Amino acid sequence: DAMVIQNPRYQVTQFGKPVTLSCSQTLNHNVMYWYQQKSSQAPKLLFHYYDKDFNNEADTPDNFQSRRPNTSFCFLDIRSPGLGDAAMYLCATSTRSGSGKPDTQYFGPGTRLTVL
Amino acid sequence: GQNIDQPTEMTATEGAIVQINCTYQTSGFNGLFWYQQHAGEAPTFLSYNVLDGLEEKGRFSSFLSRSKGYSYLLLKELQMKDSASYLCAPVDSNYQLIWGAGTKLIIKP
Repeated sequence: DAMVIQNPRYQVTQFGKPVTLSCSQTLNHNVMYWYQQKSSQAPKLLFHYYDKDFNNEADTPDNFQSRRPNTSFCFLDIRSPGLGDAAMYLCATSTRSGSGKPDTQYFGPGTRLTVL
Repeated sequence: GQNIDQPTEMTATEGAIVQINCTYQTSGFNGLFWYQQHAGEAPTFLSYNVLDGLEEKGRFSSFLSRSKGYSYLLLKELQMKDSASYLCAPVDSNYQLIWGAGTKLIIKP
């Protein structure tokens, strides 16, 4: 089945220790997104890639970086995690058709990050 | 600014009908999505409305009024598995989804 996969599902890191979360997709979608979601809050878009074109949200901290080495994979790097970065990190994909209709986003299961 | 307003929590009884309302203000408008999110899981797509009116899809229906900046999700014949958060996400002029915090729906037997 075509899907969006995130690894690991649960990640524990120490304050200040760099961590990388990964996302892969078999949908062959050209857009990949990273969201941060805290409990009972709306998903917050951090950035997205349209093919190789990187789009950073204005309020995304510099502590968060992303890489997309190919169509299928996208990584979220948190350079120096703080306690406030503990959250669920969601990867989503969509296909941008250029028809003027918004993309439907398909989400992976998420990675729950704990910062000790 | 952009704003989404949904009730924080609702409770309903198994087998009943529930309507979850969403009002929004966005810079431009290119339709509205509803997603379902079970606790600790990722959001899953439910519906997309771009024209006024009601779209029915099985037990779930979604309604849109663009002039009022208003949408609702109607769930019929509620089942225990419908206990989840329901997120309203209108799309702005840049085709960005503007996510609400969601309505947590609790289903009681």
